[in-house]
Amino acid sequence: DAKTTQPPSMDCAEGRAANLPCNHSTISGNEYVYWYRQIHSQGPQYIIHGLKNNETNEMASLIITEDRKSSTLILPHATLRDTAVYYCIVRPPGSGGSNYKLTFGKGTLLTVNP
Amino acid sequence: NAGVTQTPKFQVLKTGQSMTLQCAQDMNHEYMSWYRQDPGMGLRLIHYSVGAGITDQGEVPNGYNVSRSTTEDFPLRLLSAAPSQTSVYFCASSYGRAFYGYTFGSGTRLTVV
Repeated sequence: DAKTTQPPSMDCAEGRAANLPCNHSTISGNEYVYWYRQIHSQGPQYIIHGLKNNETNEMASLIITEDRKSSTLILPHATLRDTAVYYCIVRPPGSGGSNYKLTFGKGTLLTVNP
Repeated sequence: NAGVTQTPKFQVLKTGQSMTLQCAQDMNHEYMSWYRQDPGMGLRLIHYSVGAGITDQGEVPNGYNVSRSTTEDFPLRLLSAAPSQTSVYFCASSYGRAFYGYTFGSGTRLTVV
């Protein structure tokens, strides 16, 4: 799986957009970018994923650069409850034993301040 | 629909004891896995299963056994607990195809003394 690089921590003011970057310069053509978050003491929560097009759902937007070497997770109006560790993960699609695995790095601790 | 249920939530073991961490899902997910998370670290994969009767090792399998006799259940067994196994354990499941996100349980906090 491609390795990802994320800043260890970021701050954001409540109500403002939080933009979390992720570098995945060695990503392969068929690997997807996934984002998860983990609120303190809870299990990780799936947020969004994408291949090469920008994606949006009720939680966030995912912007992937044209060369796919980096991406940005956007929380449009951050709240205090969005304070969490955010993980960027890349992995190939489809079935097959090793393709199911998620490799978590240390992620980015996003702190939303009042 | 309860999602992924882990029991117990907390457990204290003595060194050398054995125990089973339970994980059950009611979403008919094919894939299930166990992770451990140590302070300041990301999650590390212990074992995973792509369907009933099929299991495989992850990054840190030593000291743990798994079996998958049904689609719903994926128990993790600690054979002889060691202090190094003090950790928070998470179970996760998903549909077979990797386009879908994983659903994680709320975790089991294990302390081995």
